[in-house]
Amino acid sequence: EAGVTQFPSHSVIEKGQTVTLRCDPISGHDNLYWYRRVMGKEIKFLLHFVKESKQDESGMPNNRFLAERTGGTYSTLKVQPAELEDSGVYFCASSQGTDYGYTFGSGTRLTVV
Amino acid sequence: DQQVKQNSPSLSVQEGRISILNCDYTNSMFDYFLWYKKYPAEGPTFLISISSIKDKNEDGRFTVFLNKSAKHLSLHIVPSQPGDSAVYFCAVKNSGGSNYKLTFGKGTLLTVNP
Repeated sequence: EAGVTQFPSHSVIEKGQTVTLRCDPISGHDNLYWYRRVMGKEIKFLLHFVKESKQDESGMPNNRFLAERTGGTYSTLKVQPAELEDSGVYFCASSQGTDYGYTFGSGTRLTVV
Repeated sequence: DQQVKQNSPSLSVQEGRISILNCDYTNSMFDYFLWYKKYPAEGPTFLISISSIKDKNEDGRFTVFLNKSAKHLSLHIVPSQPGDSAVYFCAVKNSGGSNYKLTFGKGTLLTVNP
């Protein structure tokens, strides 16, 4: 079984540019989550999809962040325009039900310069 | 305001000895507790969990202890091996509320020396 795949693994962009992160969950997992870890801090919840529907986006920092999951398969997280404080590692995770544990991807390390 | 605190940023132990990682939480509504292990350039991987109805859960070399009155949990690794060297994250959730949402601590870097 393939795990959760994230692309790219690293991205370095200039302040003001746009970046799109992609997550492919484990096949059959309806639940998809985005989390972020800013350097040295805790891993923080961003949002939760069930299939293509956003169930909870309470952790999204501001309206520069847009997450989508068209067709309930892969998800994208777009940051536009990027700011310096957006730097960090963005993790995606998926699960079958919400009672089950998550499987995390390896993350995308975003550096905004 | 941090709801989950791992007060030791790092811990170093000798191979074969016990590693004890600690975690404190503030909200008594949390009722499910997990430990994740993370190697560099990888995502967190689930290690062990415990429900609030228990005070101990064991899986091989790993044991998690829960003290609800103190809002404290700990992870014991015995015996520690060099391959256990990683960052360990404590995570909690409220299974009655937003049961999909994990709240993490900042992590403890464990180094097991050969």
